[in-house]
Parts: sequence; structure tokens; C-alpha cells
Amino acid sequence: ELKVEQNPLFLSMQEGKNYTIYCNYSTTSDRLYWYRQDPGKSLESLFVLLSNGAVKQEGRLMASLDTKARLSTLHITAAVHDLSATYFCAVNNNDMRFGAGTRLTVKP
Amino acid sequence: GAVVSQHPSWVICKSGTSVKIECRSLDFQATTMFWYRQFPKQSLMLMATSNEGSKATYEQGVEKDKFLINHASLTLSTLTVTSAHPEDSSFYICSARGPYSNQPQHFGDGTRLSIL
Repeated sequence: ELKVEQNPLFLSMQEGKNYTIYCNYSTTSDRLYWYRQDPGKSLESLFVLLSNGAVKQEGRLMASLDTKARLSTLHITAAVHDLSATYFCAVNNNDMRFGAGTRLTVKP
Repeated sequence: GAVVSQHPSWVICKSGTSVKIECRSLDFQATTMFWYRQFPKQSLMLMATSNEGSKATYEQGVEKDKFLINHASLTLSTLTVTSAHPEDSSFYICSARGPYSNQPQHFGDGTRLSIL
């Protein structure tokens, strides 16, 4: 059974700081997604990583994928308050399996 | 981009009533649709997968008779929570995709269900 483990589960950081969220998964997959969810809202797609070594960046967020290690990272650079949300990674193996989510709070 | 419309966005009803949630793909043929449930401060849990014209495949622990899924057309799937009780209160999210597993899933805006 595919398992997706995400850490940390909670993250509180100050504005301007950097941090990385990790996503490990248990079976072979070359398709990994990162989503953002604001309170009371559905999912907003951030990144789709399709191959080993893929790196994508959008603003202060950068995602990478290492399929050999079964690891994806979401790196936050110089965090700002607007990034406060819950971030999910998900792996697609015929159906989508989600990590537990990382609740990020960025404090001024 | 592809749009999935979910309706209603929020519903409050009394215990014992049945509630239907609709999920529509507006600009593509949704061969496969997924229904997720999300409890507060938790992740999304897949409830069932439905393919157009076929019976839904339910995840372990999800009651088929409780959560009725109909996917009769390529643009519409419905989830009916039958005889809903307070423990069924949750955020329900649908997603839709074309026929191939490597195609992206497009998520609806979710339905917040509150059972009194």
C-alpha cells in the first residue's frame, strides 16, 4: 500500500526565514504533486513534478523530486505572512494519496 | 485550465436526512472522479473512485450503502450521504480526471457538510 509521509506537521517561522518541508513515499512513482490549502478552502495546485531530478520554482517556493530516494522537498525562501497555509504533497499511483499536511504559520 | 464545479458549497441539515453533493466537470470529459473526505485539521482521505458508467470502488472502511456514488455521465458525479448523522460532518472534496492515470486531477471547491 502506498504511504506518503510528510514532515514537519506543524511549522511556525518568522518572516524572512528559510525552511524545507519533506515528503517521503513508499512505492515507486514518478509523479508527485504539491498543493496549498487555505482554511475552509479546497486545494490549490502548486507544482507537479514528473521526473527524477525535477525542480520547479514559483516565487518563494521551490519543489524538487528525487525518485530514487522517494523524496520530494518544498523549500520556502524568505517566508512572508501570505504563505501561511497548509501544504500537502500527494503521490499519484492510479489514485492520489496525500501526506498528512504541513500547517505553516509565518509570523511577522 | 480545467474547471470542476462542486455544489453545494455548504450545507447544514438535521440528523437522519440525506444529502446529495454534485461534482461537475465544466470543460472536459471526466472519465474518472474521486471523492475525498477531510476532517478538521486532517489530510484528505480517499473515499471512493468512480468511472463513468461503472460502479464506484470504495476504500476500505467506507460504507457503500451510506455513501452512494453515481457517475452516470462524463460530466457529473454525485455523492449522496444517506441518513446523515453528526459524525458524517466533514469537508467533502471531489476531483475529476480523464481516462489515463497520468492525467492531472482537477479539484472542486469542496462541500462543508454539517449535521445537527
